[in-house]
Amino acid sequence: GQQVMQIPQYQHVQEGEDFTTYCNSSTTLSNIQWYKQRPGGHPVFLIQLVKSGEVKKQKRLTFQFGEAKKNSSLHITATQTTDVGTYFCASGGSNYKLTFGKGTLLTVNP
Amino acid sequence: DGGITQSPKYLFRKEGQNVTLSCEQNLNHDAMYWYRQDPGQGLRLIYYSQIVNDFQKGDIAEGYSVSREKKESFPLTVTSAQKNPTAFYLCASSISLGRERQKLFFGSGTQLSVL
Repeated sequence: GQQVMQIPQYQHVQEGEDFTTYCNSSTTLSNIQWYKQRPGGHPVFLIQLVKSGEVKKQKRLTFQFGEAKKNSSLHITATQTTDVGTYFCASGGSNYKLTFGKGTLLTVNP
Repeated sequence: DGGITQSPKYLFRKEGQNVTLSCEQNLNHDAMYWYRQDPGQGLRLIYYSQIVNDFQKGDIAEGYSVSREKKESFPLTVTSAQKNPTAFYLCASSISLGRERQKLFFGSGTQLSVL
């Protein structure tokens, strides 16, 4: 699989602050996916990015894929308590093997 | 309801015992997966199956076995050879988002603990 490193491992914010998690690779990624796992829950697919420099938005969430396709970011504007959870990036190769980063745990203080 | 059902939610294993985790899906997906999740370690792929009667090892297959006799079912056996089995196990199935890209749908997981 295509290895991905995710930072930071933890992030604590006050409600209303912004949050960003980064996903980096030493090799070119064919695509990048983002998943969210609520505490006690299971990962849920958020989005997939495929094109170099691609930017997609979902309400307060902004996803970016780097120009070199070696990094990606997820930015949340004005966090809410409902944003709490672990955010994973994942990238797939040519054989169904989707490799996940270790995730960023976001906690939000109301 | 369409989805992926994992059972049981909690499972306890004694030393030297094999245990089997169930995973059933009614989404009509061809591909199914097993991931292991440890705190701070993310998700690591154990086995995956693209079609019935075929499966491949993932990154941490040692001490585990699977079968795929039916499209709907992909059970995982944690054998006594797996020396550190305590973890949260997630089953998933997927649909294609295009060439070489799969969107995963996860079950609610099974927490396995060793007594």
